[in-house]
Amino acid sequence: DIQMTQSPSSLSASVGDTVTITCRASQGIRSDLCWYQQRAGKAPKALIYAASKLQSWVPSRFSGSGFGTEFTLTISSLQPEDFATYYCLQYNYYPRTFGPGTKVEI
Amino acid sequence: EVQLVESGGGLVQPGESLRLSCAASGFPFQYSWMDWVRQAPGKGLEWVANINQDGSEKYFLGSVKGRFTISRDNAKNSLYLQINNLRAEDTAIYYCAWALNYWGQGTLLTVSA
Repeated sequence: DIQMTQSPSSLSASVGDTVTITCRASQGIRSDLCWYQQRAGKAPKALIYAASKLQSWVPSRFSGSGFGTEFTLTISSLQPEDFATYYCLQYNYYPRTFGPGTKVEI
Repeated sequence: EVQLVESGGGLVQPGESLRLSCAASGFPFQYSWMDWVRQAPGKGLEWVANINQDGSEKYFLGSVKGRFTISRDNAKNSLYLQINNLRAEDTAIYYCAWALNYWGQGTLLTVSA
């Protein structure tokens, strides 16, 4: 199975900051990577697919990049509603595998 | 508006069986791959299974093969997850998802004696 790792596991930031989360795959997955946001007690919400393409409902302060084994999610000008846990998911291989999550805290 | 509504969760005893359902609307269900993802209490997300448009292709997480069955009824716009021989480690919120882009709110399954 493809192992996904994320760093950091948690971070503290302030409103207006720029934060970057890294996701690494144990082998190459091309651009077959999604990012999700999960607020406490809520279902996950898709943010990015194909490593860098924003879902239509996602504000432009979110961006994704990467190819192969290393990927990043960047949130510019952090807003109060962005404090949540973020997960990456690879969908190049079965079983699909998620990263362990990165909690973004105030 | 896309809607995915899961149901069928609850408190069940180890060894029992259960079928989870997901009612879909607002998108072309019959032409869509569908997935189940679960989340144990306080833990991360874990992909469980998916199924193609006509049910002829199904994929599973290795640890659930043989106990979990995924199926669909395109006439009813519904997705199902049959779980047999339930174990404590199956305790989780189960989400259905359309192409892993749209997710339901989940149904909580608790396996405990």
